[in-house]
Amino acid sequence: DVKVTQSSRYLVKRTGEKVFLECVQDMDHENMFWYRQDPGLGLRLIYFSYDVKMKEKGDIPEGYSVSREKKERFSLILESASTNQTSMYLCASRKTETYNSPLHFGNGTRLTVT
Amino acid sequence: GESVGLHLPTLSVQEGDNSIINCAYSNSASDYFIWYKQESGKGPQFIIDIRSNMDKRQGQRVTVLLNKTVKHLSLQIAATQPGDSAVYFCAENRNTGGFKTIFGAGTRLFVKA
Repeated sequence: DVKVTQSSRYLVKRTGEKVFLECVQDMDHENMFWYRQDPGLGLRLIYFSYDVKMKEKGDIPEGYSVSREKKERFSLILESASTNQTSMYLCASRKTETYNSPLHFGNGTRLTVT
Repeated sequence: GESVGLHLPTLSVQEGDNSIINCAYSNSASDYFIWYKQESGKGPQFIIDIRSNMDKRQGQRVTVLLNKTVKHLSLQIAATQPGDSAVYFCAENRNTGGFKTIFGAGTRLFVKA
């Protein structure tokens, strides 16, 4: 079974802080994704990565950056946290050869910015 | 002032009844569709998928129907159980050369014992 692990379940940060959200998957998947989830808005794609050191903007990349130095790890960075970035953040992975295959999700990090 | 949040569509069913959750998608270029279940405190989990060359696919107690003419997707759950209570998301993969999966807003299913 694929396991996607997000390092923190809950985080509380102050406005202006730099925040790192970490995600690790153990199934050698090439593709990794960061979504944010807000009530009534579903999941919105922030950034994704085809493979190591590659990244692409999703639908709402403003205020975020990412890092993919190793295949198993995909980090989401909030350069200067703001209150409108309070949300649930979900990491997911998928194997490239099976583009038409489901995403495997972690259990999320709930971030509160005060 | 008071803020008003967005509310999920909800569906309430009696235990043992069948549930039907509906979803409309917008892009005719989408070629792969997935249903996810999200329980409280967890990430979304895959339930069932269907490719655009099919109109029906069955799993264990679940069936997905795809109507490409009206861009409509539905999830049917047979003999709904309390453990089926969750938020259900439909998602589509768009055949635009990229890797994007686009999610709907979700439907909350309540199962009454």
